[in-house]
Amino acid sequence: QVQLQESGPGLVNPSETLSLTCTVSSGSISTYYWSWIRQPPGKGLEWIGYINYSGNTNYNPSLKSRVTISLDTSKKQFSLKLSSVTAADTAVYYCARLNWNAFRKFDYWGQGTLVTVSS
Amino acid sequence: DIQMTQSPSSLSTSVGDRVTITCRASQSISSYLTWYQHKPGKAPQVLIYGASHLQTGVPSRFVGSGSGTDFTLTISSLQPEDFATYYCQQSYDIPGTFGQGTKLELK
Repeated sequence: QVQLQESGPGLVNPSETLSLTCTVSSGSISTYYWSWIRQPPGKGLEWIGYINYSGNTNYNPSLKSRVTISLDTSKKQFSLKLSSVTAADTAVYYCARLNWNAFRKFDYWGQGTLVTVSS
Repeated sequence: DIQMTQSPSSLSTSVGDRVTITCRASQSISSYLTWYQHKPGKAPQVLIYGASHLQTGVPSRFVGSGSGTDFTLTISSLQPEDFATYYCQQSYDIPGTFGQGTKLELK
């Protein structure tokens, strides 16, 4: 059973960079796509972006200028960096596996981690 | 971006009821439609992918249908563990966009 676990600071100062890591246990990290999704309090889900096993990335155009997703296959981890954060970036952040060959479904998710942007 | 419009946004319902949730895309997405179930504090789970394919391990009371722009998730007989929020999501185009969610509440 594939499991994903997000980790990182729960509080980030405005204008700084939010950094999160997702650790994948069980299964290969080298044959799938890996994604970040977020949900602001009381709002819907927003896809942030993905990285594939070759290191190719694709980002939500609304966040593209501030987002970087990277992959470390040796540690079975992928990471999210979101720069110049504001209160609008306060959200529960989820990592998920994107199964590109099965109608691009997010078939495994982490439980999510709340990140609050505040001084 | 492709807009996904889900209805209703909430539904008061009872165990044993038949429940139908609809999702409409602002343009054709073929069958690139996934339904997720989300409970508070838990990871969202895939119910249906490719509009009508049942995810392994999901009970057969969950049925998905539709293609193009109009999609439906039907729960044939609601069980106590089904009270949750349901989201549709299109994966036809980037960015993959979600519906606003449908929350099932106990009547």
